[in-house]
Amino acid sequence: DSGVTQTPKHLITATGQRVTLRCSPRSGDLSVYWYQQSLDQGLQFLIQYYNGEERAKGNILERFSAQQFPDLHSELNLSSLELGDSALYFCASSWGGNTEAFFGQGTRLTVV
Amino acid sequence: KNEVEQSPQNLTAQEGEFITINCSYSVGISALHWLQQHPGGGIVSLFMLSSGKKKHGRLIATINIQEKHSSLHITASHPRDSAVYICAVSSPGNQFYFGTGTSLTVIP
Repeated sequence: DSGVTQTPKHLITATGQRVTLRCSPRSGDLSVYWYQQSLDQGLQFLIQYYNGEERAKGNILERFSAQQFPDLHSELNLSSLELGDSALYFCASSWGGNTEAFFGQGTRLTVV
Repeated sequence: KNEVEQSPQNLTAQEGEFITINCSYSVGISALHWLQQHPGGGIVSLFMLSSGKKKHGRLIATINIQEKHSSLHITASHPRDSAVYICAVSSPGNQFYFGTGTSLTVIP
């Protein structure tokens, strides 16, 4: 158990809908990272937050947004969902901005 | 061209063999990461390194900054080592780039 909790584990939704994925980092970790893993694109970095502030943005679509709350948990919001958004979404946390990261078990999103 | 290239893509070994997975990258990095992903999907960080060599049990990771190359070695491989191994780099601009992974199968 990495100490990083992601909910839900599985999510099935229809095209055009909006979903929210939640991540609770390890106790004491200030950084949260979101990644997408799809069959055709592999792992891709989406976004990083550090202590509530956006730190870095990767290949995150405009339909996606994220935030980190004062208690350091983070949410990834995916809207106007398309079939191609079906993927595993991982959250990871680390103490600092460039220290070892610990991964959650992922949320498997299926868009039908 | 991918920023991170791994080889081989697939690897089958007999139990007990010494295994090497290679990773080359083309961007400036703050650190290089080796990740392990089991069939269930969970990802575990094995190593984070920016120079030299690190060892955890039967796993050894090395990096050559000048050549922009890293290797992951597994000594005395075991069937439980069967997984996908992913090389990733983090850049000074806080971007992350991933290799496509090496699928390792260790046969008893």
